[in-house]
Amino acid sequence: DAKTTQPPSMDCAEGRAANLPCNHSTISGNEYVYWYRQIHSQGPQYIIHGLKNNETNEMASLIITEDRKSSTLILPHATLRDTAVYYCIVRVAPRTGRRALTFGSGTRLQVQP
Amino acid sequence: DTAVSQTPKYLVTQMGNDKSIKCEQNLGHDTMYWYKQDSKKFLKIMFSYNNKELIINETVPNRFSPKSPDKAHLNLHINSLELGDSAVYFCASSQEKLAGATYNEQFFGPGTRLTVL
Repeated sequence: DAKTTQPPSMDCAEGRAANLPCNHSTISGNEYVYWYRQIHSQGPQYIIHGLKNNETNEMASLIITEDRKSSTLILPHATLRDTAVYYCIVRVAPRTGRRALTFGSGTRLQVQP
Repeated sequence: DTAVSQTPKYLVTQMGNDKSIKCEQNLGHDTMYWYKQDSKKFLKIMFSYNNKELIINETVPNRFSPKSPDKAHLNLHINSLELGDSAVYFCASSQEKLAGATYNEQFFGPGTRLTVL
């Protein structure tokens, strides 16, 4: 799995967009970018994933640069409930490699009222 | 309905004891996992089972023994508990054989906080 680099912490005002960056400069062609988050004392929760196109779901948007060396998770209207540690994970699709997730230290997002 | 459940939620025990943590998923998934989150909050894979077969066994002391009686259950038994085993243990499950899918997310349980005194 390619190594990822994330800022250790970020703040965001409630109602504003939260933009969480992730660097993955050694990503290979068959590796996807996944985002999970862990709200305090709970199990991690899947948010979104992508290969090279931008993706959007009901929780967030994922913007991947054209060279795929970095990506940004966007929470369009952050709420207090979005306060959590956000993990960016790069790995091959499950059918072609290991199934487990390798978590780094993530970004602790604090949404301020 | 709880998708992935773990029991107990909290476990406090003395060094040297043997204890078990149970995990059950009602999602019909074919793959289950155990992760350990230590005091520094790093989350690491320990074991993975697919259709009751051990797939991943990371560098974990052999005092830890997973057991999968069926696809819906993956239990973790720990012998001769040590202080360093204190952590939060998360069970997770996913469906890895879904045709046409690019990714099947992992669903995590609420965690079991193990404290060894």
